[in-house]
Amino acid sequence: DTGVSQNPRHKITKRGQNVTFRCDPISEHNRLYWYRQTLGQGPEFLTYFQNEAQLEKSRLLSDRFSAERPKGSFSTLEIQRTEQGDSAMYLCASSSYRGYEQYFGPGTRLTVT
Amino acid sequence: SQQGEEDPQALSIQEGENATMNCSYKTSINNLQWYRQNSGRGLVHLILIRSNEREKHSGRLRVTLDTSKKSSSLLITASRAADTASYFCATAIQGAQKLVFGQGTRLTINP
Repeated sequence: DTGVSQNPRHKITKRGQNVTFRCDPISEHNRLYWYRQTLGQGPEFLTYFQNEAQLEKSRLLSDRFSAERPKGSFSTLEIQRTEQGDSAMYLCASSSYRGYEQYFGPGTRLTVT
Repeated sequence: SQQGEEDPQALSIQEGENATMNCSYKTSINNLQWYRQNSGRGLVHLILIRSNEREKHSGRLRVTLDTSKKSSSLLITASRAADTASYFCATAIQGAQKLVFGQGTRLTINP
């Protein structure tokens, strides 16, 4: 069990640029989640995949955000035309169909200047 | 938006003392989970309690759940410096897979 991995760990970008983050879940987990966390707050749900199907999206996920999980393995989260308000920690988690516990990766910290 | 509130927002105690954190939520749940987050890192799952359970133990952790009051508490006994972290409760709403987190309690254990 290698755990959930996320890349990059840190990303600094200029306002208006596009960024893409990658998440590799625990290999046998079919469920994958993206959350966003700002300083001093708890994580907020963004979107959820079961295998390759995106089953739920938060209203926080504006049309500048898109997530994919091709072939039901790794997932990518893309933010287009970044804004300063997008600065946050982006967390990925996975879980198996057998349990409700979610296993989190270390996160990608995005700073938009 | 956050599901509920955690209390206190910050807690500082001496090593060896017990730490209690409380969580309140708003809607019916399937289960409630507690997570720990060290500064700037990912979250680590600590314990899950189902809506039909009232109390659960795991090592030095004890969780209670009162669904009539929509509240939960996490007790850490015999605290250690390594317990210094933020602690979050998260609820899984009936029929949904996503977790809804509280704002967390920042726990500091002083040596």
